[in-house]
Amino acid sequence: DIVMTQSPLSLPVSPGEPASISCRSSQSLLHSNGYKYLDWYLQKPGQSPRLLIYSGSNRAFGVPDRFSGSGSGTDFTLKISRVEAEDVGVYYCMQALQTPFTFGQGTRLEIK
Amino acid sequence: EVQLVESGGGLVQPGGSLRLSCAASGFTVSTYWMHWVRQAPGEGLVWVSRINNDESGASYADSVRGRFTISRDNAKNTLYLQMNSLRAEDTAVYYCARGLGYASGAASWGQGTLVTVSS
Repeated sequence: DIVMTQSPLSLPVSPGEPASISCRSSQSLLHSNGYKYLDWYLQKPGQSPRLLIYSGSNRAFGVPDRFSGSGSGTDFTLKISRVEAEDVGVYYCMQALQTPFTFGQGTRLEIK
Repeated sequence: EVQLVESGGGLVQPGGSLRLSCAASGFTVSTYWMHWVRQAPGEGLVWVSRINNDESGASYADSVRGRFTISRDNAKNTLYLQMNSLRAEDTAVYYCARGLGYASGAASWGQGTLVTVSS
């Protein structure tokens, strides 16, 4: 199975400050078709997960442009340019290259 | 608008069975790979199973293979998860999801249904 490792696991951020979450996979998520099979999800308190970023760097419909994703085969980053209060929750990366799909442990973002 | 509504969760004794349903609207379940993902209380997300959009079959996590069966009813536009031989460690909120990992960004999730396995 592909192991996904996120860091940090806890991320206190002041409003208006930037934030960055790292996600590392145990093998490359770059498919021969050129796509990177890496999604980012945000689970706000008491809610279902919501797609933020797909294919490593594409924002999902309706996601604010302060969210961005980047990365290569095994190292990926989710960045928030200016954190807002509504961004609190747990962020998960997930690989979809092969089953079983696997998630990172989650990064809990809180507002200072 | 895409909607996924799960039902069928509840309290069941160890060794018992439950069938979860996920009613879809706004799209056709037969045209997407559909998934079940679970989340134990206070824990992270764990992928459980996927059914393909063609007849090529399904995949399962090792922890549920042989006990759980994913299926869909195209006429009812509904996804199912038949869970047998339930264990305490199967206690979780179960989410159905569409299109996880799609290069088109098609992922959507239901609100989840809680399954509690306890005597």
